[in-house]
Amino acid sequence: AQSVSQHNHHVILSEAASLELGCNYSYGGTVNLFWYVQYPGQHLQLLLKYFSGDPLVKGIKGFEAEFIKSKFSFNLRKPSVQWSDTAEYFCAVNKGGGGADGLTFGKGTHLIIQP
Amino acid sequence: NAGVMQNPRHLVRRRGQEARLRCSPMKGHSHVYWYRQLPEEGLKFMVYLQKENIIDESGMPKERFSAEFPKEGPSILRIQQVVRGDSAAYFCASSPQGKLSNQPQHFGDGTRLSIL
Repeated sequence: AQSVSQHNHHVILSEAASLELGCNYSYGGTVNLFWYVQYPGQHLQLLLKYFSGDPLVKGIKGFEAEFIKSKFSFNLRKPSVQWSDTAEYFCAVNKGGGGADGLTFGKGTHLIIQP
Repeated sequence: NAGVMQNPRHLVRRRGQEARLRCSPMKGHSHVYWYRQLPEEGLKFMVYLQKENIIDESGMPKERFSAEFPKEGPSILRIQQVVRGDSAAYFCASSPQGKLSNQPQHFGDGTRLSIL
């Protein structure tokens, strides 16, 4: 079974600071990796995804993530955060290689951006 | 508008009652997933359905919980004889038809279930 670990439960940053949210997963096989964001009072939205190919993936709103297979990591980054990035961020994984599969989520990171 | 429609948004039940949560997937999507989110926790996978078939229910509690996705109409998550511990947010997601797991799932706004 897969598991996902997000290292920081709460992160507080000032506007324009750089962001990196950690995500590690445990699973020995091929995986698909996702970052979702949940703004206050809204549904989960897909930020970016990795299926295969270039391990550096770019998503919406200036976010990117790098898949490092040797470290089982898929950290989310943004060079300069904005107040509107305040939200809950979830890393998720499912089995790759075909066959639709439920997602395994981390517990989430609550990001607060101070103006 | 997420496209995945869940109702009701909020549901209050007393212990011992039944709760029915509904989910209509995005247009053209035939895969439905249900997740539960407890306070301060991430989403936990419960069940994956296609039309008229349960594909994976490994995350569903063995008792009191059931799910269906009929040929016509929304998917239903049913909780019988609810208890306080069932209080949570229940999210539905859908993805397009296809055999590849790399179809991203699109989420609804969730149903907040409160048990008195």
